[in-house]
Amino acid sequence: IAGITQAPTSQILAAGRRMTLRCTQDMRHNAMYWYRQDLGLGLRLIHYSNTAGTTGKGEVPDGYSVSRANTDDFPLTLASAVPSQTSVYFCASSDVYGQWSLDSLSGNTIYFGEGSWLTVV
Amino acid sequence: GENVEQHPSTLSVQEGDSAVIKCTYSDSASNYFPWYKQELGKRPQLIIDIRSNVGEKKDQRIAVTLNKTAKHFSLHITETQPEDSAVYFCAAFYLDNTDKLIFGTGTRLQVFP
Repeated sequence: IAGITQAPTSQILAAGRRMTLRCTQDMRHNAMYWYRQDLGLGLRLIHYSNTAGTTGKGEVPDGYSVSRANTDDFPLTLASAVPSQTSVYFCASSDVYGQWSLDSLSGNTIYFGEGSWLTVV
Repeated sequence: GENVEQHPSTLSVQEGDSAVIKCTYSDSASNYFPWYKQELGKRPQLIIDIRSNVGEKKDQRIAVTLNKTAKHFSLHITETQPEDSAVYFCAAFYLDNTDKLIFGTGTRLQVFP
């Protein structure tokens, strides 16, 4: 079982270019997320999807868009990249979205992909 | 607003000593608090979590405590080893119309042999 696969692993991108980061999970998780990680700022949620066909905005959605056509794939698109979008991007998934049950034994653990290192120049 | 504060940002300990990382959250309705460990160049991985219906949880050398009244929770690592060196992130689940997990800014732990 691969878990969560992200592509590309790393990319150098010219400012103004369009870029799509791909994310695929084979765990049949309903919820998927995109986070960006910047030094000193931790992990910040960009967009999320609690089930196929629906998406929502996170903490820092501006400049990014997502789609969730099916359960397994959750691509993140930068329509016109800017240098401030230089970051490490992590795709993640969990069995369900939100509303962690106090009775749940497994919890709604979020599993992260390996990350995509993006540099916008 | 939604906020998770994490301290300290860096922590250096001698092998065998204990390490404590503290986090505070702002939403009193938060009910789920995971801790993630991230080694250099790797993905964050869950190491322990706690729900609001318990005050403490332990798993071998790591433990987490939760004080709901004060809205803070802490990670305790005992008998630290060099392989514990990593960045640790706390997080709190915010119950609003978006239901999201908010992360702290991370603590870089270095364990010296």
